[in-house]
Amino acid sequence: GQQLNQSPQSMFIQEGEDVSMNCTSSSIFNTWLWYKQDPGEGPVLLIALYKAGELTSNGRLTAQFGITRKDSFLNISASIPSDVGIYFCAGHLNSGGSNYKLTFGKGTLLTVNP
Amino acid sequence: DSGVTQTPKHLITATGQRVTLRCSPRSGDLSVYWYQQSLDQGLQFLIQYYNGEERAKGNILERFSAQQFPDLHSELNLSSLELGDSALYFCASSSMGRMNTEAFFGQGTRLTVV
Repeated sequence: GQQLNQSPQSMFIQEGEDVSMNCTSSSIFNTWLWYKQDPGEGPVLLIALYKAGELTSNGRLTAQFGITRKDSFLNISASIPSDVGIYFCAGHLNSGGSNYKLTFGKGTLLTVNP
Repeated sequence: DSGVTQTPKHLITATGQRVTLRCSPRSGDLSVYWYQQSLDQGLQFLIQYYNGEERAKGNILERFSAQQFPDLHSELNLSSLELGDSALYFCASSSMGRMNTEAFFGQGTRLTVV
C-alpha cells in the first residue's frame, strides 16, 4: 500500500526561526494536504495542494506539491509559540468516483521555545 | 470549529464491552471517514461511507463496524474491546466537487479501555 515518510519526527526551535518539514511517498498522489493537530483536538486543515509544482501560502505557512508528485514540503516562517503542535501531511490519489482514502504521514512534533 | 461533531468526547469502558461512537458531518457533506489515532501508529484510516454506502475500507478490525444513516450521521461500533483499542477515534467529512478531497475532522472521541 501507499506509505508516507514524514520528516523530521520532531523539531525544537527558537521563536522567530523558520521551519521546514517534508513528506515523501512511495507512489504518486494527486492531492497533498497539510494538517496541524493541537493536543486533544482533531487535525485542522492548513493547506491543500492539487497540482504538481503548485506553491501555496497561508499566512506564514507555505507548502509545495513536488514535481514528481511523490513529495511535498511545508515551511513555517518566523515561528511563534502557538505554532506548537503536530503537523501531518496527507496524500490522496483519486481513483475515480467517491472512493477516497487519505494516507497520513506519522507527523512532525514542533516545539517552539519562546 | 470544523463543523464535524463527535460524541462522546471521552469514553472509559472495560475490556470485552461494546461501545458506539457517533459523528455528525458538516452540513452538506456526503462522505464520512473514520480514523484511529494511537501514540505509536499515527492516524490510521478505518473506513469511509458515502451517502449511506461503504466506499473504502482500511485497517478496520472485524470487531469494529460502522454505518451511515439516511440523515448522513455515522456511527462506529467497537465490540469485544481490548486494552489495545484505547485510542483517539476521529471522524472526518468531505463534500463533492473539486474540494471533496479536503477532509475536515471532528474533535475526536478518546476511548480508554481498562
